[in-house]
Amino acid sequence: GIQVEQSPPDLILQEGANSTLRCNFSDSVNNLQWFHQNPWGQLINLFYIPSGTKQNGRLSATTVATERYSLLYISSSQTTDSGVYFCAVGLARDKIIFGKGTRLHILP
Amino acid sequence: GAVVSQHPSWVICKSGTSVKIECRSLDFQATTMFWYRQFPKQSLMLMATSNEGSKATYEQGVEKDKFLINHASLTLSTLTVTSAHPEDSSFYICSARDSASGELFFGEGSRLTVL
Repeated sequence: GIQVEQSPPDLILQEGANSTLRCNFSDSVNNLQWFHQNPWGQLINLFYIPSGTKQNGRLSATTVATERYSLLYISSSQTTDSGVYFCAVGLARDKIIFGKGTRLHILP
Repeated sequence: GAVVSQHPSWVICKSGTSVKIECRSLDFQATTMFWYRQFPKQSLMLMATSNEGSKATYEQGVEKDKFLINHASLTLSTLTVTSAHPEDSSFYICSARDSASGELFFGEGSRLTVL
């Protein structure tokens, strides 16, 4: 089946730094989303981005479907950005596959 | 963005009892909802896909008699953990797909502790 790999698995940054999180997938997908899981477990939608580039404040994402990867950019990191970032790809028949996540820790 | 409400947020129960978790899409219709289980520091594991008006589709290894799923309306799906045991303790999360956009939205999650 399809493989969804996220890198890096863990990332520790100082507040104010920028970061790039990557999601590689091994086959064609119908859609792709990025989520942030905060320390309380709540999953927050960041981007629904099957292809192209989107920006929302300090966050932006780019998906290059033909090359089977997506990138999430976080600029000027804040401590509230800490948590786990998941990408999830949607396949046919409503199948959704999650990556294992990138655990981000922003130091004050 | 769209809102998915999950209730209860946390529940503690005795071994052998059943627990029901509700998942509601508040401002959109969801013909498809999904139930996940998440162990500490791990990714989400899909348990089942819930389709309005029909039987849920369970992933391999998930006991359908143990985890009963009902999707009686376009805005509500329920997960019932029957005869719960300590090994069922976990974080359960639901999601709903907006039928119009295809985008997935998540509930807040329910932390189940079985004593």
